[in-house]
Amino acid sequence: EVQLVESGGNLVQPGGSQRLSCADSGFSFRNYWMGWVRQAPGKGLEWVANIRQDGGETYYVDSVKGRFTISRDNAKNSLYLQLSSLRVEDTAVYHCVQWLLQNNYYYMGVWGKGTTVIVSS
Amino acid sequence: QTVVTQEPSLTVSPGGTVTLTCGLTSGSVSTANHPSWYQQTPGQAPRTLIYSINTRSSGVPDRFSASILGNKAALTITGAQADDESDYYCLLYIESGIWVFGGGTKLAVL
Repeated sequence: EVQLVESGGNLVQPGGSQRLSCADSGFSFRNYWMGWVRQAPGKGLEWVANIRQDGGETYYVDSVKGRFTISRDNAKNSLYLQLSSLRVEDTAVYHCVQWLLQNNYYYMGVWGKGTTVIVSS
Repeated sequence: QTVVTQEPSLTVSPGGTVTLTCGLTSGSVSTANHPSWYQQTPGQAPRTLIYSINTRSSGVPDRFSASILGNKAALTITGAQADDESDYYCLLYIESGIWVFGGGTKLAVL
């Protein structure tokens, strides 16, 4: 069974940077789209970013474009999210997700437990 | 900007049936939006409930079903149980690689 384990979340000052990592214990990491989803305290889920299997295509929610960068290292079965120019409103639990495809429908099939980013002075 | 709409809260009696909906502020939900549903209890990571319109994830009871009803996606719980009390989120593909979650429905079983 695939497990996704996030790390790297911490307390950071506004304007600062942080790099989140997600380790995939499965054997087929390179075959899947991957993404990040966040949840601010007391709020709902927000899709943040996706990356194609080979890293050649990435997509972001408007609120993080130009500030966050998603990347992956298929040799290390790892996904990353570089957070820059952080704002208080970026405070959230960040979940790594693996996208699955079934009957031509995409969905978030595997979720990590999340890592917490707190942006505060 | 397209917003995905869900009922903020709903209540169902134990053993009752409830339908949660997922719509778009601009347009109708269709199969092209790849609707899927997720369940989250407090303090836990979300769990995938239903995808591919109406395919249940492994371990999801058959009292959960989904469909496209009119111009919205819908999640129906038939014979609700106490442990169905959770937050439920739908996820839709919008366009150009962009996905949007609904705001979530907090379901109470009372």
